[in-house]
Amino acid sequence: EAGVAQSPRYKIIEKRQSVAFWCNPISGHATLYWYQQILGQGPKLLIQFQNNGVVDDSQLPKDRFSAERLKGVDSTLKIQPAKLEDSAVYLCASSRVGGGVSSYEQYFGPGTRLTVT
Amino acid sequence: KNQVEQSPQSLIILEGKNCTLQCNYTVSPFSNLRWYKQDTGRGPVSLTIMTFSENTKSNGRYTATLDADTKQSSLHITASQLSDSASYICVVSARGTGNQFYFGTGTSLTVIP
Repeated sequence: EAGVAQSPRYKIIEKRQSVAFWCNPISGHATLYWYQQILGQGPKLLIQFQNNGVVDDSQLPKDRFSAERLKGVDSTLKIQPAKLEDSAVYLCASSRVGGGVSSYEQYFGPGTRLTVT
Repeated sequence: KNQVEQSPQSLIILEGKNCTLQCNYTVSPFSNLRWYKQDTGRGPVSLTIMTFSENTKSNGRYTATLDADTKQSSLHITASQLSDSASYICVVSARGTGNQFYFGTGTSLTVIP
């Protein structure tokens, strides 16, 4: 089966600009996650979707970050305006069911490396 | 507070040697523990997953152990290869709703010829 697709793979922007990332999960996976991974750290969950509904967005900086999954399939993550500290790899992952229900595996995409200058 | 700590932060070993990575956690209530391998520039890929009742799980040259009483896990790599150079991340899942996954900061392994 095809893996999780993300685009772009790399993005360089200036601070205060806007940027959007796209993720297409594995077909049939109901749950989609966006993570932020700063260099040298483990991934930090930003938002979790179950189909097109938000399960957890407690760590999403809502003043500048937004995400949507309108049709319950692919998703976009937007940052507006970007700050220097947003420089990180943004990982998308999907799983068949939510994390609280079973031990179903998360499959990660290759990530988008964002550099804010 | 639910936390996952990994050690060492980084490790350099010679090709063919064995090594062991450590993971200590305070996540409760515990559901399962995963070890991921993350190659540079790629997303994490699952190596093993263990539930409360499992204390060892192998995947080729990778063997993970779990001691649920002491809340410790280890990942043992046998006969290391250059391709084992990567970051290894321990992830502990909690039972319940909301944010289920607690990530360690990873151990960066470099295998040199």
